[in-house]
This record gives sequence, C-alpha cells and structure tokens, in this order.
Amino acid sequence: NAGVTQTPKFRVLKTGQSMTLLCAQDMNHEYMYWYRQDPGMGLRLIHYSVGEGTTAKGEVPDGYNVSRLKKQNFLLGLESAAPSQTSVYFCASSYDDKAFFGQGTRLTVV
Amino acid sequence: GENVEQHPSTLSVQEGDSAVIKCTYSDSASNYFPWYKQELGKRPQLIIDIRSNVGEKKDQRIAVTLNKTAKHFSLHITETQPEDSAVYFCAAKAGSSASKIIFGSGTRLSIRP
Repeated sequence: NAGVTQTPKFRVLKTGQSMTLLCAQDMNHEYMYWYRQDPGMGLRLIHYSVGEGTTAKGEVPDGYNVSRLKKQNFLLGLESAAPSQTSVYFCASSYDDKAFFGQGTRLTVV
Repeated sequence: GENVEQHPSTLSVQEGDSAVIKCTYSDSASNYFPWYKQELGKRPQLIIDIRSNVGEKKDQRIAVTLNKTAKHFSLHITETQPEDSAVYFCAAKAGSSASKIIFGSGTRLSIRP
C-alpha cells in the first residue's frame, strides 16, 4: 500500500515550457487535491476533484489545468511555465475529510 | 470563500513548556478543523482534528479547542519535546463546498533544549 505517490520529485523547467505532474493514490479515495507551498504562505489550493471525471478550481487556479480521467490519478498541467510557478507542489487524497499527502514535487522555473 | 488565519508565524518555547497556536476562520458553515505537522523536507501529516459538534479533543500531549461563536480554534501542545519542532498548519473545511480544505499560513515551532 503506497498511499499517495507523486511523479516527478524534482524538475527544472525553462520559462514557457510545459509539463504534467502525476499524482496516484491506491486508497480508492474519491477526493483529490493539488496544493502549492511557498514560504510563509502555507498550502494554497490550486484545483481539486470530488470524483472521476470531475474537477473544480481552488484558491489559485490560474496558469494550471487538471484532469481526473481515472479515479486513482489526478494530473496537474502547466501549459506555459512562469518563474512565479516555482514552488513545492503537494497532491493529497481524502476520506472522511482526512487528507493524506504525497511526498511533494519541487519545481523550479528559470 | 473560506479564509483561515494562523498566529503566530514562529514560536520558540523551552523544552517541557507548553505551546499554543491559534487560528480563525471566516465561513461560519465550516464544520471540520484538522491540524497538520510538517517536518523539514517531509509531507504534511494529520495529527489531530475536531468537528463542529465538539468543543475540545485531546490525544496524549496535544489538544484542540474550538469556539464556534468566535470562529476560533487552537492547538495546544504540553510538555514539549525536541521532536515537536516542525511547521504546524491549521485548516478548515469550507461549508459552502464540502470538499475544499483551506489551510492557514503555518507556524514554525522551535523547541529550545
């Protein structure tokens, strides 16, 4: 039982490049989330999903897109990366409101 | 939407003393309030939570209190130990959209030997 797994763990992008972060969970949770963590700003919700095929905007959705084609996977896409998107990204899934986090992806945009 | 404010941003206490972290929330319909601990370089992990039908919950050295009227909840750590050093986040589940969990900005707790 791996829990929540994020791929990749580290990535450096050039401004304007695109990439997709993958989140996979094996706990059969309905709800999944993408957060970004910046110093002094806590965890800010980017997008979330309440089930397969559904997505919704969080607090800071601009510049990101998501997809939930399979219940166990939640993908976060950056179409044209900007330096302001340099951050640590955490995925989480939840059951009975209790959220379980992945190990994080450190993304640097230069 | 929901807004969660957390204070203080940093806290240093002597080993063995108590630590208190406070949060306020804006959405009166919020009904779930978890606390997460994040050690350096690690993922956040749930340490305790409370629902709006309960005023206080305790688990060994940690406790959480909730004041629904004031829209305020607090984390209390007693008999602090070096392994309590970490960043602590409060959160609230927005009542208007049952699936959103909104976090505070975090408190960096340091335990002095």
